Amino acid sequence: AQTVTQSQPEMSVQEAETVTLSCTYDTSENNYYLFWYKQPPSRQMILVIRQEAYKQQNATENRFSVNFQKAAKSFSLKISDSQLGDTAMYFCAFMGTGNQFYFGTGTSLTVIP
Amino acid sequence: GAVVSQHPSWVICKSGTSVKIECRSLDFQATTMFWYRQFPKQSLMLMATSNEGSKATYEQGVEKDKFLINHASLTLSTLTVTSAHPEDSSFYICSASRGAGEPPELFFGSGTQLSVL
Repeated sequence: AQTVTQSQPEMSVQEAETVTLSCTYDTSENNYYLFWYKQPPSRQMILVIRQEAYKQQNATENRFSVNFQKAAKSFSLKISDSQLGDTAMYFCAFMGTGNQFYFGTGTSLTVIP
Repeated sequence: GAVVSQHPSWVICKSGTSVKIECRSLDFQATTMFWYRQFPKQSLMLMATSNEGSKATYEQGVEKDKFLINHASLTLSTLTVTSAHPEDSSFYICSASRGAGEPPELFFGSGTQLSVL
């Protein structure tokens, strides 16, 4: 089974600052996808960003970008210019050839005004 | 993006009764739907994978007789919590993925908060 580890249970950042959330995973597969999902207080899960393992270029979506290190099996999320609406739980997820998603334990991010 | 509708948003029931939760994909056909359970401030725990027209695949430790899953069409999956007890109180979330050929992504329902008295 695949494992996804998020070692930071809680983090905080000042509004407009930058924060990085860490994620590592373990797999023997070569082709897979990695995701960051956001769960705000409404508890609606929202896709933040997706990375294909065979693509070396790091994915970016506006203020959100990833640092994908395939050899190190690391997939961190950088949030730039943090906004109050970024306050949420963030889950790192892995999807391999079986199409099943494996989620990390989550990081609770608080943006401080 | 694709929309997954989940109802009800919250439900309170008496111990021993059954509760049905519906999950619909509104603008795409979902051959596979997933059901998760989430405790406060914890991650999503996969309960079962629901495939249209076939029996659901349950994760280890999930009682299939207590959590009945039916995926009768390409747009509807239901989870029935039978003979609910207070320990079944939790947040239940469904999700669906589009077919092959689309960028992989899970689309989530808004969740159902179940409280069993």
